[in-house]
Amino acid sequence: AQKVTQAQTEISVVEKEDVTLDCVYETRDTTYYLFWYKQPPSGELVFLIRRNSFDEQNEISGRYSWNFQKSTSSFNFTITASQVVDSAVYFCALSERDNTDKLIFGTGTRLQVFP
Amino acid sequence: DAGITQSPRYKITETGRQVTLMCHQTWSHSYMFWYRQDLGHGLRLIYYSAAADITDKGEVPDGYVVSRSKTENFPLTLESATRSQTSVYFCASGGPTDMNTEAFFGQGTRLTVV
Repeated sequence: AQKVTQAQTEISVVEKEDVTLDCVYETRDTTYYLFWYKQPPSGELVFLIRRNSFDEQNEISGRYSWNFQKSTSSFNFTITASQVVDSAVYFCALSERDNTDKLIFGTGTRLQVFP
Repeated sequence: DAGITQSPRYKITETGRQVTLMCHQTWSHSYMFWYRQDLGHGLRLIYYSAAADITDKGEVPDGYVVSRSKTENFPLTLESATRSQTSVYFCASGGPTDMNTEAFFGQGTRLTVV
């Protein structure tokens, strides 16, 4: 069965600190896709990244970076030099290649960045 | 404007009433989804649709009905609302993931059942 676990319910940091959000997934498929979404206080869901199971390269986008490790079934998200605007709930999600495109979400991690 | 639109944004209804949440997308995406968001559960899939006239159940379909007569619309109906259906509902649309697209979400509908 597929499952996404975000063990960190809430994280608080002070501005400029680095913070890593953990995501562990379970799937029997060899082809799958992993996602991160951001939900700011305004409530909308903002797509951050999509990674397929054949691409284990880490990715960096500005202050954001993602570490994908198939050996540990993890897809962790790091924010470098956090800012108050990074305060949000972050969701990790999994989609299997079963021609349905359904997303299985983790329970989310609430990040609070204090000035 | 291109995008995905949900209506209403907020709704209060009484137990036992029927209520329909609307979702409209302008991208002609083949896939559409309904999720509900509850504290401690993240987002859970209610129903999804791969194309017009093709729908299927997700993880938590009980008490909900969907239809998709047109590609761009995917309404979600609560046939007889219950307090446990108080939630934030998100509609999403997207193409198949192996075509390098991702799901785009509407703004959400906050539904309160009293």
